[in-house]
Order: sequence, then C-alpha cells, then structure tokens
Amino acid sequence: SQTIHQWPATLVQPVGSPLSLECTVEGTSNPNLYWYRQAAGRGLQLLFYSVGIGQISSEVPQNLSASRPQDRQFILSSKKLLLSDSGFYLCAWSTGQGIDGYTFGSGTRLTVV
Amino acid sequence: GQQLNQSPQSMFIQEGEDVSMNCTSSSIFNTWLWYKQDPGEGPVLLIALYKAGELTSNGRLTAQFGITRKDSFLNISASIPSDVGIYFCARETSGSRLTFGEGTQLTVNP
Repeated sequence: SQTIHQWPATLVQPVGSPLSLECTVEGTSNPNLYWYRQAAGRGLQLLFYSVGIGQISSEVPQNLSASRPQDRQFILSSKKLLLSDSGFYLCAWSTGQGIDGYTFGSGTRLTVV
Repeated sequence: GQQLNQSPQSMFIQEGEDVSMNCTSSSIFNTWLWYKQDPGEGPVLLIALYKAGELTSNGRLTAQFGITRKDSFLNISASIPSDVGIYFCARETSGSRLTFGEGTQLTVNP
C-alpha cells in the first residue's frame, strides 16, 4: 500500500534562517507531488506541484522553492524565512489519473519567530 | 472564476443534529470533492462527485453535485462528537491540482 511521510511535524525557526521540509512517498512510482500551505486552519493554497524528477511548477510567487531530486522525494526550501512563511505545510501525492489517489501527508506546523 | 465560495464559515451544533454546508462557484466544474481535516492532520477525502445531479452517500454523509455544475452541498446526519473538524470543498484542475474552498469549521457539543 502507498504511504506518504512528511517531517518534521512541528518546527520553530527564526526570521532569516533557512528551511528544508521533506516529503517522501512509498509504494508507488512516478507520482504527482504537491506542496500546499494552510494559514490559520482555513483553505489550502497550492504552492508547487511536480509531475516528474526535476519538474517543478510554481503556482504563486513567494519566498519558497521546491525540488524533486528523486522520484518519490519532494523538498520545500527557503534561503531566508519571513514571518509570513508561518503556516501549516502539507505534502500530497496523486497518480495523476483520478482524484481517488490524492493523499495528503500529516503536515508540518512551521512557526517563524 | 476559479474561487470556491463555501458556507457557512463555522457551525456550532448539538450532538444528534443534522448539518448542511455548501459550496458555489461562478465557473462550471467537472468534479466536486469534499474533504475533512481533523486538527493537526492533513485533509482526508470523504466524497468525490463526477456528474451533474449525482447524489452520493458515505455512511452518515451525503453530497450532491448541483445540476448547474456550479454548486455542491454536503449533509451530515445525526452528528457525533468525532464529526468535529474543518470540511472543505475542492475542485480538480489539470494535473490533479486541487483548488479548495475556505472551509467550514464544525463544532459538535455533546
């Protein structure tokens, strides 16, 4: 069965520090991978998605970047965090062939102080 | 055109009551999805709707895809405390990307 791992679960970082959040998927190959951000427990905003290794599409301009160094690994990064980067970050994967395979990770709560 | 308007923003109900929430858009959609998010967790898919007029149930949950393809509702019957959470509607775009509504925060008082 497929599983998605996301870590860390919580993170407190000072303004100006770098960021690296990792997401890995098991039990599937060539998944579509996504990074979403959720502010204050409300709607989710798509930040990045990837349909293959090295292929990254950005949905909104921001202080963050994403990379996909391996088929089942998706990384969210920042060189210098801003206070506005605080939020709940969710990784997700899908087969790209129907919505039933769209699964979210358990999220990372990032607080920038 | 791609924004989803979800209402109400929050609901406070007593255990055993029925709940209804809805989602509308000015655009026509081919898919309506309803997710539930427990505190501190990622959203979990509850119901997926693929055809206008489709009515689908999942236990005590029932959702319908509006005939105009611009709206959907989710009903929860006989609510229980574990129904607490945020409920999101969502639409699918190319590449299985999802656009979410702002969510309905449900509180169930025992």
